[in-house]
Amino acid sequence: SQQGEEDPQALSIQEGENATMNCSYKTSINNLQWYRQNSGRGLVHLILIRSNEREKHSGRLRVTLDTSKKSSSLLITASRAADTASYFCAAVKISSGYALNFGKGTSLLVTP
Amino acid sequence: ETGVTQSPTHLIKTRGQQVTLRCSSQSGHNTVSWYQQALGQGPQFIFQYYREEENGRGNFPPRFSGLQFPNYSSELNVNALELDDSALYLCASSPYMDEQFFGPGTRLTVL
Repeated sequence: SQQGEEDPQALSIQEGENATMNCSYKTSINNLQWYRQNSGRGLVHLILIRSNEREKHSGRLRVTLDTSKKSSSLLITASRAADTASYFCAAVKISSGYALNFGKGTSLLVTP
Repeated sequence: ETGVTQSPTHLIKTRGQQVTLRCSSQSGHNTVSWYQQALGQGPQFIFQYYREEENGRGNFPPRFSGLQFPNYSSELNVNALELDDSALYLCASSPYMDEQFFGPGTRLTVL
């Protein structure tokens, strides 16, 4: 399975600090996606990085992908209390169907 | 707001009963996927439909079944409910095999 596995499981920081979450997966992929979930509600897509890309930015988000290590990282800069949520990575391999295979996520707490 | 809606929001059933959950996708999204998320876990892929045909299935038994309709709506049916079926059920739609847009979910409790 190309399931994503996030690390750490929980992260607590103060507003203004940067938050880094890591993701590892097992097989070759076509793309890797990051999602955010607030309080057990629906997931919100944050960013998609394709297997031929190494880095991608979107606002305060920076995602890197290292296919040789089968790993990705999500950096949130200048964190805000509103960033408090669970973050999930999902590795996607189109030949295996276009399912999003999620890990258990990283729970981020940003305190004022 | 993703434009994907789900009903009902909450549901309580007893073991052995059957349940139907509904999802309305964004117009033009011909792919819909369903996920089960147990408390404290990540979402687990149940199945996916593309143009009304099942396009992939996760590790769920046949008592989990689905339908997709031409009007961009879909259903998840679960027969013979078990206590472990208690979870948040999420549907997600996509215009193509890319970013998925999730609904708010249906919280199912099986007693």
